[in-house]
Amino acid sequence: NAGVTQTPKFQVLKTGQSMTLQCAQDMNHEYMSWYRQDPGMGLRLIHYSVGAGITDQGEVPNGYNVSRSTTEDFPLRLLSAAPSQTSVYFCASSPGDEQYFGPGTRLTVT
Amino acid sequence: AQSVTQPDIHITVSEGASLELRCNYSYGATPYLFWYVQSPGQGLQLLLKYFSGDTLVQGIKGFEAEFKRSQSSFNLRKPSVHWSDAAEYFCAVGAPSYNKLIFGAGTRLAVHP
Repeated sequence: NAGVTQTPKFQVLKTGQSMTLQCAQDMNHEYMSWYRQDPGMGLRLIHYSVGAGITDQGEVPNGYNVSRSTTEDFPLRLLSAAPSQTSVYFCASSPGDEQYFGPGTRLTVT
Repeated sequence: AQSVTQPDIHITVSEGASLELRCNYSYGATPYLFWYVQSPGQGLQLLLKYFSGDTLVQGIKGFEAEFKRSQSSFNLRKPSVHWSDAAEYFCAVGAPSYNKLIFGAGTRLAVHP
């Protein structure tokens, strides 16, 4: 199993650009989540999903959209990037107990 | 409000010394508690978890943690630290669905030879 994979590993955007961070898991987990990690703040939940077709907002959802059309994939969309979205983004999946994290995407918005 | 506090931002210990990382939580229901470790440039790896039962839980890499409900604490311990333990450690509390974690700000551990 590849576990949780994220692409790209690094990305630089200009303010106002849009992009999609990809996340996939091959463990058939129902639950998937997106977090952002900022220095001194730990990880904060952006959006999460409890199954295909079902998503909900986390602690910091503004500026981000998600969809869950399949069990495997959970992309995170930035519609109009802002410098405040410079961060490291982690995707996680869970069978219902512990969460398994991907390697992260480092995003810089200039 | 639900929260996790890790009072120590940075800790430095000598190799071979014992380690205790502190974690306090505020949560309205029975907490589900986790410790994760993050090496530089890497993702998060689960060290151990507490759901119920024995309040002393054993994890990977020789770590253990003790849940103390009266103190709202879940401190992480290791009797003898190795240089490879240098990393950032995060305490987290989970919602009943286990799908939403609230993280502390992390403790960065440095290990001197």
